[in-house]
Amino acid sequence: QKEVEQDPGPLSVPEGAIVSLNCTYSNSAFQYFMWYRQYSRKGPELLMYTYSSGNKEDGRFTAQVDKSSKYISLFIRDSQPSDSATYLCAMMIKAAGNKLTFGGGTRVLVKP
Amino acid sequence: DVKVTQSSRYLVKRTGEKVFLECVQDMDHENMFWYRQDPGLGLRLIYFSYDVKMKEKGDIPEGYSVSREKKERFSLILESASTNQTSMYLCASSLDELKFFGPGTRLTVL
Repeated sequence: QKEVEQDPGPLSVPEGAIVSLNCTYSNSAFQYFMWYRQYSRKGPELLMYTYSSGNKEDGRFTAQVDKSSKYISLFIRDSQPSDSATYLCAMMIKAAGNKLTFGGGTRVLVKP
Repeated sequence: DVKVTQSSRYLVKRTGEKVFLECVQDMDHENMFWYRQDPGLGLRLIYFSYDVKMKEKGDIPEGYSVSREKKERFSLILESASTNQTSMYLCASSLDELKFFGPGTRLTVL
């Protein structure tokens, strides 16, 4: 079993809909939780990060962490075709080197 | 803006060749990383470095080595390239918990 599980999709939604993405994990020691967006043939770009449990909002993006359930979510409101990308969750235990453990990524397609 | 650059976007090499992938960051970050990304397997850590001349093995170091002679530069070396090393290679650098990636090098080994 992988340490971080993420549905690969693809997830197809109409423009303007809410995109809901999630990851589950097994290691309760993870402290930092990130979401990256990766466009085709590009490197991942950091979207949001949270420390421990709770919600964080940034514009159209909301990240949620539920450590008791070992479950994290990313919501994209008013989705746009430019949001079409692969979204990667990642988690970290703060230590020397700050190694990240990634989910496999969910491919999202927002149709005009 | 943090900038992480990689020497090549696309590279084609032959089996047995020695391959160098270069990564440079301009933000004075202590930590630098090399990942490979494959369909269905996600990003996997090959090596990382938290200081000049320091290196640590990641999850899949076999067949790779690294070099960090200067703080801003982290090189990944394939001593004798094999076809199973065909992949997308991503370099990253980090300030504390925030990690920034380069554009990636798509390596094909024939």
